[in-house]
Formats: sequence, structure tokens, C-alpha cells
Amino acid sequence: AQRVTQPEKLLSVFKGAPVELKCNYSYSGSPELFWYVQYSRQRLQLLLRHISRESIKGFTADLNKGETSFHLKKPFAQEEDSAMYYCALRRGSSNTGKLIFGQGTTLQVKP
Amino acid sequence: DTAVSQTPKYLVTQMGNDKSIKCEQNLGHDTMYWYKQDSKKFLKIMFSYNNKELIINETVPNRFSPKSPDKAHLNLHINSLELGDSAVYFCASTDKGAPRSYTFGSGTRLTVV
Repeated sequence: AQRVTQPEKLLSVFKGAPVELKCNYSYSGSPELFWYVQYSRQRLQLLLRHISRESIKGFTADLNKGETSFHLKKPFAQEEDSAMYYCALRRGSSNTGKLIFGQGTTLQVKP
Repeated sequence: DTAVSQTPKYLVTQMGNDKSIKCEQNLGHDTMYWYKQDSKKFLKIMFSYNNKELIINETVPNRFSPKSPDKAHLNLHINSLELGDSAVYFCASTDKGAPRSYTFGSGTRLTVV
């Protein structure tokens, strides 16, 4: 069965500190991995896709198939990064678009 | 110009009532979804429709019944509401399941008292 695990419920850092939000997955095939962000009481927004290998708002994430991880990183956290972050997996062969989400990690960036 | 809109935004109702949440998308997408975000912020898919046809039906009590009158609309009807149904319900849509096109609504916060 496919599963996404985000071990930290809450991550609290000071402004300017590096951030790493952990995500591990279990899936035997070729997954597609994503990071979604939800600012306070707003809709979920796509932040990153592993396929595009992009950097958005200073965040990057690398898919490590050996460790089955897709950790989200940012070298210098900003207060506006405070939000809920969800790691999500989609089966590579799926055309239903079903996303399997991790439990979410709340990032709190203190001034 | 809202892409995926849900109504109502907030819904407070008593146990045992029947209620509906509506979702509409103006993106021309062919696939729509309902996700539930519980009190612990855990987000899980409930249903998916593609061109008015049910394609995903997770283990959800049959008190929940989705209805898609056309591919731009996916409504969620809940019978005999229970306290445990309190959650935020998110509608989403995609174009042929493509991840890049995944767009979420702003959510409906349902509180059952």
C-alpha cells in the first residue's frame, strides 16, 4: 500500500535559520511526489513537484529513491513561510489523479 | 475569478441533520474530487468523478453521497450527520488527473453540534 509519512507535526525555527521538513514514502512503483502548502485558513496550493526540479519561494526538494524520501528544504526561513506543509504522492501510472497525503507539518517561523 | 468555488464556507448544524456542500469549477477540468481534512489536519481523499462518472470511492460511510450533475459541478450530500463528520471538506479539480493542474477550493468548515 502507498503511504506518506511526515514524522514532525510541528517544526519551529527562528527567522533566518535553515529548514528541513521531512517526508518519507512507501510505494513499490515509480511515484510522483509533491509538496503542498496551506497558509492559515486558505486553500492548498502546489509548492513543488519532484519532476520539475524547481525552486519555489526558496524551497527545494530532492527525490531520494534509495531512502524513499522527499524532504523539503530552505536555507533561510522567513516569517511568511509559516504554514502547514503537506507531502503528497501520486502513483506514476495513475490517471485518476488521486493524491495520498502525509499527516502534514506545521512550520512556525519565529521573529 | 475563483477557479474552484465551494459553498458554503462555514456550516454549523445539529447531529442527525442532512446537509449538502456544493462545488463548482470554471477551469474546464474533467476530474473533480472531495477531500476531508480532519481535526488533526490529516487530509484524505473521499471521492473522485471524471466526466460525471465515479472513479474513486474510498472507504467512506454511505451517509456520504456525491453527485455530479455535469463535469463542472461535484456536490456532497451528507445524511444523518454525526459529531465525527466535523471537518474541513476540500473540493479539487484536475485536467485528466494531471498534477500540474490540481486546483483546490478554499474549503467548507463543517461543525456538527
